[in-house]
Amino acid sequence: GAGVSQSPSNKVTEKGKDVELRCDPISGHTALYWYRQSLGQGLEFLIYFQGNSAPDKSGLPSDRFSAERTGGSVSTLTIQRTQQEDSAVYLCASSLGDRGSPYNEQFFGPGTRLTVL
Amino acid sequence: AQSVTQLGSHVSVSEGALVLLRCNYSSSVPPYLFWYVQYPNQGLQLLLKYTTGATLVKGINGFEAEFKKSETSFHLTKPSAHMSDAAEYFCAVSVTFYNQGGKLIFGQGTELSVKP
Repeated sequence: GAGVSQSPSNKVTEKGKDVELRCDPISGHTALYWYRQSLGQGLEFLIYFQGNSAPDKSGLPSDRFSAERTGGSVSTLTIQRTQQEDSAVYLCASSLGDRGSPYNEQFFGPGTRLTVL
Repeated sequence: AQSVTQLGSHVSVSEGALVLLRCNYSSSVPPYLFWYVQYPNQGLQLLLKYTTGATLVKGINGFEAEFKKSETSFHLTKPSAHMSDAAEYFCAVSVTFYNQGGKLIFGQGTELSVKP
């Protein structure tokens, strides 16, 4: 069956440009998460969606980062005025269950590798 | 606050040898613990999880982990390593506080190499 998909798989951009990263979760999964994986910081949480709402945005590193989710499905992570330190792999995950139950398995997408020159 | 520490960023074993990857956690509430594996250029795949009940948890590919509350540990083991086990392994704890939706806090990862 279809898993979590992310696009693009690779994105190279110039410092100062805006980028949009897309996540398509598994159909029926109400919880959606964005994480960032970088050499210096490891795997870190960015934002959590339950439906179209984001009860927890505590991991967004700055106001240049924003995310939205529409129709309880697709999510877009936007980074404005990209900086070199934004270079990382951005992972999306989704899970089934009421209000993102902490014991439900999160299914991860393959990630988007962002390189800021 | 909850946190996870993985001891050893790199572990190397011979094919057929025991695999032991160490994970210790810190949590003020009963933890939900996970091990994920990441193969090169791929996303994370769940190996196993502990929520409640039996403290010895069996996962995919012959891996298992034991939850030891007294030691705040959740070490991952496999009796006999296979070349295909070479990957990076992440231990994680799920945040259980209201409105944080079970977000995962990860350890720094352990890269497992398997020598022929």
